[in-house]
Amino acid sequence: GEDVEQSLFLSVREGDSSVINCTYTDSSSTYLYWYKQEPGAGLQLLTYIFSNMDMKQDQRLTVLLNKKDKHLSLRIADTQTGDSAIYFCAETGGGNKLTFGTGTQLKVEL
Amino acid sequence: DGGITQSPKYLFRKEGQNVTLSCEQNLNHDAMYWYRQDPGQGLRLIYYSQIVNDFQKGDIAEGYSVSREKKESFPLTVTSAQKNPTAFYLCASKSQGAGYGYTFGSGTRLTVV
Repeated sequence: GEDVEQSLFLSVREGDSSVINCTYTDSSSTYLYWYKQEPGAGLQLLTYIFSNMDMKQDQRLTVLLNKKDKHLSLRIADTQTGDSAIYFCAETGGGNKLTFGTGTQLKVEL
Repeated sequence: DGGITQSPKYLFRKEGQNVTLSCEQNLNHDAMYWYRQDPGQGLRLIYYSQIVNDFQKGDIAEGYSVSREKKESFPLTVTSAQKNPTAFYLCASKSQGAGYGYTFGSGTRLTVV
């Protein structure tokens, strides 16, 4: 079955770049997503990348996809305290379902 | 504004009781999903429905039930058979077609007292 893995915690200083990594197992994934969850809230879609792309940039966010290694990363430039949240990667396997990773808790320190 | 509304935000259940969590969307999305979130475990799929009057079990369906009588609504009942129901429950919907991510509700926190 599909499996998506992320490290649980990441701590960075304000103004630095954050890189959140994700590995997945389903080679048939067509789209891969990054979601952000603030405390006590639902998930907010940040960005997504189609599987035939290597990179996608959207303002402070850069997504890199290494399809050969099944590795996805999210880089947040100039990280701010408002970026503190849990970040989930997700992939579409077969059908209309998303499989989510365990989430990475990003803590931004002053 | 279109979106997904979950209610209530907080819910307390006594041992042996059934409780129903509401999820309503006005996005005209066909597919709807229920996830359970526990600390450090990410999101686990409980049930999903791709069309009215049809739904499928997810990875952790035991102790839960759903219905999909209307396109807009996908209520989740947590039954007394669910032995560890304390968790954060998230409802989501999705338009048909590839490339569209889910839209999530704001969640319901269920606590057994």
